Amino acid sequence: DAGITQSPRYKITETGRQVTLMCHQTWSHSYMFWYRQDLGHGLRLIYYSAAADITDKGEVPDGYVVSRSKTENFPLTLESATRSQTSVYFCASLLAGEEQFFGPGTRLTVL
Amino acid sequence: GQNIDQPTEMTATEGAIVQINCTYQTSGFNGLFWYQQHAGEAPTFLSYNVLDGLEEKGRFSSFLSRSKGYSYLLLKELQMKDSASYLCAVRSRSNAGNMLTFGGGTRLMVKP
Repeated sequence: DAGITQSPRYKITETGRQVTLMCHQTWSHSYMFWYRQDLGHGLRLIYYSAAADITDKGEVPDGYVVSRSKTENFPLTLESATRSQTSVYFCASLLAGEEQFFGPGTRLTVL
Repeated sequence: GQNIDQPTEMTATEGAIVQINCTYQTSGFNGLFWYQQHAGEAPTFLSYNVLDGLEEKGRFSSFLSRSKGYSYLLLKELQMKDSASYLCAVRSRSNAGNMLTFGGGTRLMVKP
């Protein structure tokens, strides 16, 4: 599959559980990003990565963990899910200086 | 920090022209992007401005004035399929790694 994919597309979990959202891109883009999108807040950056093994916090990193052992994968983990983390999560990637390409999103509900 | 403002909602008629404004405050401005997002879908890239002036792409145009911290997206010959949210995003040299800061988005409803 070419492009950028996310899995799962939909997830329902309970408060306190660990959840991992997957992101995979086939372009070998250096940069990858995780956003969350909530009504009234638009897209907010959670974490980003400039290359394998290089990650940094964005605007709203609390409660999230990322890793990037391979260029093509950028998983996002909620270590102990809370209701406030109910959101739509988008992964994106880009070549330096170009526009970001977004994955289809994961709709996460925390009960 | 950065501040990006755009109207929350707009309504326009099929076949008409609509202008969606975006104002921003940032240090080290390094480009402004417009994205389109249909309900339940991912944002898709529309346009990019880094120098002052108008960029035209078919029915869509985007304008930038860096001195005024202002951009607009112009949609001509509106079609029903243009009903979507339009996101303004700013890239800044003060941000590491090509990060974008997004405005809250403008939801455009096109009516027959």
